[in-house]
Amino acid sequence: QKEVEQNSGPLSVPEGAIASLNCTYSDRVSQSFFWYRQYSGKSPELIMSIYSNGDKEDGRFTAQLNKASQYVSLLIRDSQPSDSATYLCAPYSGYALNFGKGTSLLVTP
Amino acid sequence: EAGVVQSPRYKIIEKKQPVAFWCNPISGHNTLYWYRQNLGQGPELLIRYENEEAVDDSQLPKDRFSAERLKGVDSTLKIQPAELGDSAVYLCASSSAEGRSAQYFGPGTRLLVL
Repeated sequence: QKEVEQNSGPLSVPEGAIASLNCTYSDRVSQSFFWYRQYSGKSPELIMSIYSNGDKEDGRFTAQLNKASQYVSLLIRDSQPSDSATYLCAPYSGYALNFGKGTSLLVTP
Repeated sequence: EAGVVQSPRYKIIEKKQPVAFWCNPISGHNTLYWYRQNLGQGPELLIRYENEEAVDDSQLPKDRFSAERLKGVDSTLKIQPAELGDSAVYLCASSSAEGRSAQYFGPGTRLLVL
């Protein structure tokens, strides 16, 4: 069983702060990693992808990957109330995405 | 560019009735996925198509679920007969060979079995 672990939250941060979302995975063959944002009642929306160790920045989002530790994270800078959603970590293991249960983020004004 | 299209968006049926979901992927995406998402869980893969070939259907409950992707474009997922436990959101996603496995989801079909 390929496990993807995320803290279910809710993670509450004040507006303007940095939100840090973490994910660990068990399948060592995973090579591609994705973060999806899912608003309540909506489908997952791809927001970040990362393929090699290190950091990848895209606007207010930074994804970090450490394959040796089987750890991937997502940082959201200058958090906004509109960032309030569930964030799904999804390693790709060669045939499909393997989703975690997601972390619920609440950004308070 | 149009995204993944799914229909219907909502479906309410009684148990033991059949139901079908339709998906049209992003133009040019040769890989199509059907996922099921239960409340509070991440999506779980049901079946993956490469063009018209089902290359991974190990998680599809074959006694009641079936799927097809004729001509390698649109796809239909069917449940017959539906059970109470089938209530969930059924998501279709697609990806391209050049997209490095990035998958894009449609809006989903929310199924309620009474």
